[in-house]
Amino acid sequence: AQKVTQAQTEISVVEKEDVTLDCVYETRDTTYYLFWYKQPPSGELVFLIRRNSFDEQNEISGRYSWNFQKSTSSFNFTITASQVVDSAVYFCALMDSSYKLIFGSGTRLLVRP
Amino acid sequence: DGGITQSPKYLFRKEGQNVTLSCEQNLNHDAMYWYRQDPGQGLRLIYYSQIVNDFQKGDIAEGYSVSREKKESFPLTVTSAQKNPTAFYLCASSIPTFTGGSSYGYTFGSGTRLTVV
Repeated sequence: AQKVTQAQTEISVVEKEDVTLDCVYETRDTTYYLFWYKQPPSGELVFLIRRNSFDEQNEISGRYSWNFQKSTSSFNFTITASQVVDSAVYFCALMDSSYKLIFGSGTRLLVRP
Repeated sequence: DGGITQSPKYLFRKEGQNVTLSCEQNLNHDAMYWYRQDPGQGLRLIYYSQIVNDFQKGDIAEGYSVSREKKESFPLTVTSAQKNPTAFYLCASSIPTFTGGSSYGYTFGSGTRLTVV
């Protein structure tokens, strides 16, 4: 069965600290896609990244970076030099052959000034 | 600008009443989805539709109904049979799966917060 686990319910850091959000997934498919979304207080989900199962290259986008490791079924998200505007709930999600997005329970990140 | 519009942003319902949440998109997407979000939990799929006049139950469809008469619109009705309807509801859309486009992910609306009073 498909499943996404985000074990960290809430993380609190001080501004400028680096923070890593963990994501572990389960699927039997060999072709699948992994996503990260950000949910600010306004409520809508903002797309951050998509990764397919055949591309294990790490990706960096500004202060954001993602580490995809198939061997451990993990797709972790790191924010470098965190800022108050990074405060939000972050969701990891999996899409496999069903083409339905399956979400983890989310990690609430609080960045304190 | 293309996007998804959900209305209203806040909705209050008395127990025993049905209520309909609106979702409209102008992205020309064929597929549309409804998710429910409870505090501290992830999003759970209620219903989805890959094409007009067709829709499928998701993981928690009981107590909900949908229609898909137009490509742009996918309203969700929360019926009196839904025992715990207070939640945040998100609508999403995507390019249809038969083109493989859904692998690019979904576009989400800004949500409707439903409270039973």
